[in-house]
Amino acid sequence: DAKTTQPNSMESNEEEPVHLPCNHSTISGTDYIHWYRQLPSQGPEYVIHGLTSNVNNRMASLAIAEDRKSSTLILHRATLRDAAVYYCILVQGGSEKLVFGKGTKLTVNP
Amino acid sequence: GAVVSQHPSWVICKSGTSVKIECRSLDFQATTMFWYRQFPKQSLMLMATSNEGSKATYEQGVEKDKFLINHASLTLSTLTVTSAHPEDSSFYICSASRGAALNQPQHFGDGTRLSIL
Repeated sequence: DAKTTQPNSMESNEEEPVHLPCNHSTISGTDYIHWYRQLPSQGPEYVIHGLTSNVNNRMASLAIAEDRKSSTLILHRATLRDAAVYYCILVQGGSEKLVFGKGTKLTVNP
Repeated sequence: GAVVSQHPSWVICKSGTSVKIECRSLDFQATTMFWYRQFPKQSLMLMATSNEGSKATYEQGVEKDKFLINHASLTLSTLTVTSAHPEDSSFYICSASRGAALNQPQHFGDGTRLSIL
């Protein structure tokens, strides 16, 4: 499985934007970039995914580099409820299998 | 939106007991479900892929006789931890994707916290 690299932790202030980076230099042409987050003592929650173009939904935006070797999850206005571990995962085209790395623990300060 | 439900949410039992965990897709059919295990302060580890009507596919290092998976219907998969011991204590989570289209997001249950005394 292609690997991703994320910072162990990041901090943000409430109401400010947050940019969570992910490096995936060995990504293949058919790999989708998925983001999930996990709040304490809960199962993960889907955030967003994309292939080549930038994506927006009600939760976040996903900016994908032109060479696809990196991506950034953007939370436009962080809230305390956004404090979680964020996982960037590459999913092979046609596969449903998720392989979780260590993720980034986001702390949001009031 | 799609919902995946797990039951029970918390189990405490004696060593040697077998424990069954249920994972249900509440408003969609899932031909494939996944089971994960998560130890404290660690990431999720995929244990197995549960296939409706056929045998589960286990990840390397996961004992299939220890962790029995049954996917008898399109909305229910069960994981049975047989003869559980304290080292099996963990947070068990299931997931499923909705629809047949490729690269659909996974929907996760809220997990089952298993404590073996």
